[in-house]
Amino acid sequence: QVQLVESGGGLVKPGGSLRLSCAASGFTFSDYYMSWIRQAPGKGLEWVSYISSSGSTIYYADSVKGRFTISRDNAKNSLYLQMNSLRAEDTAVYYCARDKLVAATRYGMDVWGQGTTVTVSS
Amino acid sequence: DIQMTQSPSTLSASVGDRVTITCRASQSISSWLAWYQQKPGKAPKLLIYKASSLESGVPSRFSGSGSGTEFTLTISSLQPDDFATYYCQQYNSPPLTFGGGTKVEIK
Repeated sequence: QVQLVESGGGLVKPGGSLRLSCAASGFTFSDYYMSWIRQAPGKGLEWVSYISSSGSTIYYADSVKGRFTISRDNAKNSLYLQMNSLRAEDTAVYYCARDKLVAATRYGMDVWGQGTTVTVSS
Repeated sequence: DIQMTQSPSTLSASVGDRVTITCRASQSISSWLAWYQQKPGKAPKLLIYKASSLESGVPSRFSGSGSGTEFTLTISSLQPDDFATYYCQQYNSPPLTFGGGTKVEIK
C-alpha cells in the first residue's frame, strides 16, 4: 500500500544538527513533489519545504531558510531534511507528505507519514 | 507571502448539526485550496482539494466552496467521528501556508 515512513528524529542541543529521512513505498516516488510539514507541540501545521519530482525546484519557509536543506534520492525512494543550527523553536513533529497529482497538476497533499519528533533542548 | 485566516478557532457543536468553517486568503488564490482533518496524535488527512473537490473515500457530508479569497468547509450533519481540528492550506504559491486551524468540539 501507499506509505511514507519518517525516521531520524530525536533530542538535540541548540545549535546542533539532525537529518530526517522519509521512506516511500507503494507508488512511483519519482513522479511526485514531496514536502516536509511540522507541528510544534499544541500548535498548528507549518509547511517547511518542498522539492519537485526531479529535485530541480525547491522552496523553503522563511523560518528555516539557510538552515534546513531538503533533498531526495529517487533511486532509493527517499526524501531527506538536513537540519542545521537547530533552535528551540524547531521543536516539533515533522511529517513528510506527498503532493496529490491529478493530470499532472498538484492539489495539496494526499499521503502523509506518521511523523517523527524533533526536540531541541539543552 | 499569502496569509490564511480561519474562523472560528474553536467551534462547539452537537451530533447532527450543520457546521461551517471559513478560511480567508490575504490575496486571491483562485481555487488552489485544500482542507485537512487532524485528530490528536495523528497525521492530517486530505478532505477537499481544488476548493470543492472531495477526496476519494471522504464522506459526502463534507463539502467545500469558494474561490479567490474566501472559502468554506461545511459538514452537513456532524458525526461523532468528525470531532477534530480542521486546517485550510493554500497551494497557489510558496510558502504553502496553512490556516491556524478550527477545533470542532462536542457541545
